[in-house]
Amino acid sequence: AQSVTQPDIHITVSEGASLELRCNYSYGATPYLFWYVQSPGQGLQLLLKYFSGDTLVQGIKGFEAEFKRSQSSFNLRKPSVHWSDAAEYFCAVGARAGNQFYFGTGTSLTVIP
Amino acid sequence: DTAVSQTPKYLVTQMGNDKSIKCEQNLGHDTMYWYKQDSKKFLKIMFSYNNKELIINETVPNRFSPKSPDKAHLNLHINSLELGDSAVYFCASSLRGGGGNTIYFGEGSWLTVV
Repeated sequence: AQSVTQPDIHITVSEGASLELRCNYSYGATPYLFWYVQSPGQGLQLLLKYFSGDTLVQGIKGFEAEFKRSQSSFNLRKPSVHWSDAAEYFCAVGARAGNQFYFGTGTSLTVIP
Repeated sequence: DTAVSQTPKYLVTQMGNDKSIKCEQNLGHDTMYWYKQDSKKFLKIMFSYNNKELIINETVPNRFSPKSPDKAHLNLHINSLELGDSAVYFCASSLRGGGGNTIYFGEGSWLTVV
């Protein structure tokens, strides 16, 4: 069965520190991969996505993610976190054939001064 | 200009009532969705419509009924509301169906059933 796992429910980092949010997926073939961010009281916004090609993907707000096929992972990174990055982050996978689309359970990010 | 807009944003109602949430997208997308987000932030797809045709209908109670009068609108009607229906409901759209399309979300409708 297809699944998306975000092992960290909650992460706290200091402003200016680096960040890595983990995402692992279980799928028959390499799916489309996404990261979304949900700020408090808001809907979800796309940060970045991987379809094919370069495994390091750049997104908005200074985020990047790296697809590692051997690890079935698509981890999100940011070199220096800002207080405004505090939010809920969702990894998601989409089927290459069909309509299936699955969100992970989310990682809540707290940024401390 | 709000791309995906849904109303109302907040809704408090009593058990047993019937309520509707309206959604409109001005992106020209063919596919629209309803997602439910529970108190633990877990997102679950409820329905998906492609050009007014139902294409995804996950296991949700029959009390939930989507209606798509045209491809720019997807409304959600809920009958006989229960406490467990309290959640945030997100409307969303994508250019077309399929797992490779970016999904654009509305800001959510906070439903509280008392």
